[in-house]
Amino acid sequence: DVKVTQSSRYLVKRTGEKVFLECVQDMDHENMFWYRQDPGLGLRLIYFSYDVKMKEKGDIPEGYSVSREKKERFSLILESASTNQTSMYLCASSAVAVGTEAFFGQGTRLTVV
Amino acid sequence: GQQVMQIPQYQHVQEGEDFTTYCNSSTTLSNIQWYKQRPGGHPVFLIQLVKSGEVKKQKRLTFQFGEAKKNSSLHITATQTTDVGTYFCAGGYNKLIFGAGTRLAVHP
Repeated sequence: DVKVTQSSRYLVKRTGEKVFLECVQDMDHENMFWYRQDPGLGLRLIYFSYDVKMKEKGDIPEGYSVSREKKERFSLILESASTNQTSMYLCASSAVAVGTEAFFGQGTRLTVV
Repeated sequence: GQQVMQIPQYQHVQEGEDFTTYCNSSTTLSNIQWYKQRPGGHPVFLIQLVKSGEVKKQKRLTFQFGEAKKNSSLHITATQTTDVGTYFCAGGYNKLIFGAGTRLAVHP
């Protein structure tokens, strides 16, 4: 069974903290994505990666960075968490960037206080 | 940048009624995908359309891709309570962009 696993289901962090969200996929996919989901706004793309050590900005990259040191792992980093980054974060992977099914992790509900 | 717009944002129906959600892109798409997210769950892939004018069916669900490959629709015939959730369309060239989704509520 294919799987995308996010390290935490729920996280509570303080304003100004550096936050790491981890995502691991077991499908040997080239492409991995980070989205945030907010009510009424759908899924907005933060960053994506099409290969190890390669990354591209999505639509809302400000305040975030990413790391992909290994093919199976894609990390989202909040350099200095702020309350407006409270959201649901979803990681996804796919064999190609567009044109094949994207598989999602279960999501991380991040609250910044 | 590329935008994918989806309407309506929310719809509630009586069980047995039909439901349609519409998706429009600001640019021509190479293909379009549809996903369903159950309450408390994560998006799950339903289908992909590739050809201009393509129509695909999955039981009570009918998916269409417009002739110009800039719009798409999902139609559910005779909704059931199991259809509850948010339906997203998604497309793009080098990155997968999602619409805002249509949240469907079905009243028994």
